[in-house]
Amino acid sequence: SYVLAQPPSVSVAPGKTATITCGGNNIGSKNVHWYQQKPGQAPVLVIYYDRGRPSGIPERFSGSNSGNTATLTISRVEAGDEADYYCQVWDSSSDHLVFGGGTKLTVL
Amino acid sequence: QVKLVESGGGVVQPGRSLRLSCAASGFTFSSYGMHWVRQAPGKGLEWVAVVIYDGTKKYYTDSVKGRFSISRDNSKNTLSLQMNSLRADDSALYYCAKAEGQLLETIDFWGQGTLVAVSS
Repeated sequence: SYVLAQPPSVSVAPGKTATITCGGNNIGSKNVHWYQQKPGQAPVLVIYYDRGRPSGIPERFSGSNSGNTATLTISRVEAGDEADYYCQVWDSSSDHLVFGGGTKLTVL
Repeated sequence: QVKLVESGGGVVQPGRSLRLSCAASGFTFSSYGMHWVRQAPGKGLEWVAVVIYDGTKKYYTDSVKGRFSISRDNSKNTLSLQMNSLRADDSALYYCAKAEGQLLETIDFWGQGTLVAVSS
């Protein structure tokens, strides 16, 4: 089955840029989606189809996808961005939805 | 606005059954695929199952295949998950979630979840 690899944690200072990676075999050929989950809350879709932003998601959130790595970038990080972030793809070879293991973003 | 409300969780002994339900509102339920996703305490998200808009196709993660059954009633805007032969590692918060667009491949709205604890 398809596997997505994320770093367990990323730390960034307020106002700086956070980069969270999601690795997978030829992931650039798939559509990647990203979710933000704050403690005690349900996940929220922040990026879909590699780089699309749902309504209400700040422009500070952006995504890219190429080769074996997809990336979520959060510019001008704020304290409120502290959360777990999950990447996700649909594996059409198995008809399974696959999540990465999640990355905890800490704002220093 | 989209609203998904799960119910049916609780404490159950290993080997027993439980049925989860999700009441949907605020969108045309019969037009969208629906997922179940679970999250064990302190762990990451794990996809469980999906059913397409008309209920004719269903897909499951390997660990629940043959034990869980996803279904929907479009006349009642309700999604269900029948869970049989429950095991301790099925213990988790179970989220009902709406597929985005006409495809199954991503989720744009989530419920708040219902907690399942499998314990003797």
